[in-house]
Amino acid sequence: NAGVMQNPRHLVRRRGQEARLRCSPMKGHSHVYWYRQLPEEGLKFMVYLQKENIIDESGMPKERFSAEFPKEGPSILRIQQVVRGDSAAYFCASSPTGTDNEKLFFGSGTQLSVL
Amino acid sequence: SQKIEQNSEALNIQEGKTATLTCNYTNYSPAYLQWYRQDPGRGPVFLLLIRENEKEKRKERLKVTFDTTLKQSLFHITASQPADSATYLCALEGGGYNKLIFGAGTRLAVHP
Repeated sequence: NAGVMQNPRHLVRRRGQEARLRCSPMKGHSHVYWYRQLPEEGLKFMVYLQKENIIDESGMPKERFSAEFPKEGPSILRIQQVVRGDSAAYFCASSPTGTDNEKLFFGSGTQLSVL
Repeated sequence: SQKIEQNSEALNIQEGKTATLTCNYTNYSPAYLQWYRQDPGRGPVFLLLIRENEKEKRKERLKVTFDTTLKQSLFHITASQPADSATYLCALEGGGYNKLIFGAGTRLAVHP
């Protein structure tokens, strides 16, 4: 049973470009979360999605950031017109429905570097 | 606002000793608290969850306590091994939907 898969592992963008980060949750998991981690800081919640629905996006900046989890395919975190301050590690996590649904299973992250 | 603090300094201990990590929080009463392990370049890995009505939880060499009066959790690794060296993250339930509030983590180094 494959874990949470994120790609790419490393992404380099120039200021003003778009970044697309992909996340495939664990098989059988229908809840996806995105977190951002800056060096020496804790992970910060960004958004929680279920299939085709954004449940909680309170941690996501209102401008330039968007997330989706379509019926088919991976969840996508999209950052438009990236700036240097967007450089960080972005982690996706998934959780099951029912028993143990509080446990989060994390991917290995995407390290975004903005030049 | 909710605040969660972990020792920012690295904890260095000798192999075989017990490592104790601290997590303090303010301005909140979480329904549960979790501990994760994170290795460099990797995502966090779930270790233990303890609920507000539980005082202590154990799993193999790991033990977690949760004092809701002191607003503190202690995480213990007994008979520590060099393979236990990693950063350990404390996370609070942050208001539903598994929205976790993470501490910055404490780096543990176990020396042979």
